[in-house]
Amino acid sequence: KAGVTQTPRYLIKTRGQQVTLSCSPISGHRSVSWYQQTPGQGLQFLFEYFSETQRNKGNFPGRFSGRQFSNSRSEMNVSTLELGDSALYLCASSSYGREAEAFFGQGTRLTVV
Amino acid sequence: AQTVTQSQPEMSVQEAETVTLSCTYDTSENNYYLFWYKQPPSRQMILVIRQEAYKQQNATENRFSVNFQKAAKSFSLKISDSQLGDTAMYFCAFMRTNTGNQFYFGTGTSLTVIP
Repeated sequence: KAGVTQTPRYLIKTRGQQVTLSCSPISGHRSVSWYQQTPGQGLQFLFEYFSETQRNKGNFPGRFSGRQFSNSRSEMNVSTLELGDSALYLCASSSYGREAEAFFGQGTRLTVV
Repeated sequence: AQTVTQSQPEMSVQEAETVTLSCTYDTSENNYYLFWYKQPPSRQMILVIRQEAYKQQNATENRFSVNFQKAAKSFSLKISDSQLGDTAMYFCAFMRTNTGNQFYFGTGTSLTVIP
């Protein structure tokens, strides 16, 4: 089966702009969670969506938002970009219940200049 | 709150030898999963092995196996017959499931396989 697809793979944006990242999960997986990875802070949880509902949210400012569509694809949006938002953004696709599995996409590398 | 601790920032091993990466975690939840992920320079997070907390039997996946000690909250990864392609950053991860799937990660162990 197809893996987790994140688009775009690379982005360069200017401070103050906004950006939208996309994550298409594995077929049948209804949970999508997002993580920010930076050298200084490691991997930090942004939010998790299940059946179009945000179940959990990490400790990030309101500039970071997301949504999930009926086909489980998820988008995250960052508005008013800051230099510190430069990071690798990873999404995880996972299932629920016994034998739950979780896979990550290849990530989107965002550079803010 | 959940925490994951990897106390070995860097490790090295000779090709074909065996190496063990350590991981401890802290949680008050009963239902959860533990994972080891490998992140090579490409930065993709690749699943190495998964352990369900409700299973006592240690998971194995070819050359990779875990030593899961639930009472001690320990989850170490053993790599046998190390290969050059095993060189990567390895992350131990805890996934809680009670109120949504959410990962907590350790800080990673950088493993170098020496030819």
